[in-house]
Amino acid sequence: GENVEQHPSTLSVQEGDSAVIKCTYSDSASNYFPWYKQELGKGPQLIIDIRSNVGEKKDQRIAVTLNKTAKHFSLHITETQPEDSAVYFCAASIREHRADSTGSNYKLTFGKGTLLTVNP
Amino acid sequence: EPEVTQTPSHQVTQMGQEVILRCVPISNHLYFYWYRQILGQKVEFLVSFYNNEISEKSEIFDDQFSVERPDGSNFTLKIRSTKLEDSAMYFCASSVIRSTGELFFGEGSRLTVL
Repeated sequence: GENVEQHPSTLSVQEGDSAVIKCTYSDSASNYFPWYKQELGKGPQLIIDIRSNVGEKKDQRIAVTLNKTAKHFSLHITETQPEDSAVYFCAASIREHRADSTGSNYKLTFGKGTLLTVNP
Repeated sequence: EPEVTQTPSHQVTQMGQEVILRCVPISNHLYFYWYRQILGQKVEFLVSFYNNEISEKSEIFDDQFSVERPDGSNFTLKIRSTKLEDSAMYFCASSVIRSTGELFFGEGSRLTVL
């Protein structure tokens, strides 16, 4: 099955600096790569995702890059703020379309998470 | 904004007892999931559910686990005879059809088995 490795496990940056979290995956059939942010006591919340047909996606201060050949993808957060402090999880999934077009099954395999601390 | 809600937020039980965790997915979602997170570890897939049947389950989801959608709104995870190693945060999630595939997670139910 799929295996996702995530580094680093902890990351501490100064406010305003950039933060980069990297993940690798093992199953070349994986085609959907979301990133989740988990604040203390809360469930994971999707912050950005990328599909295998693109190499980069950006949403304001957050960007994700994907290298399918090397099977790795990264999260980039620029101009970090204290409220960015949280645990970030990468995940990989094979998007399985149903023949009846009623949707897609997303079984996510998560990385171990990165605790990001942004110091003011 | 619609959200996935879970109850209870925390349950303490004795080893060998049955536990039912409840979830109300977002109303127009068709896929439902249970994930768990042992303290300090990664979030792990347990089971996905569609059209009143299990779509996929992991090796963790053994005969002690079952899921049910007893009515039009609730989605439950039952653990028949809890073990110490079942202590974890259990997250319910649901997803909408077609384009996005985003999983919306609830805030979790913390299960402590003594």
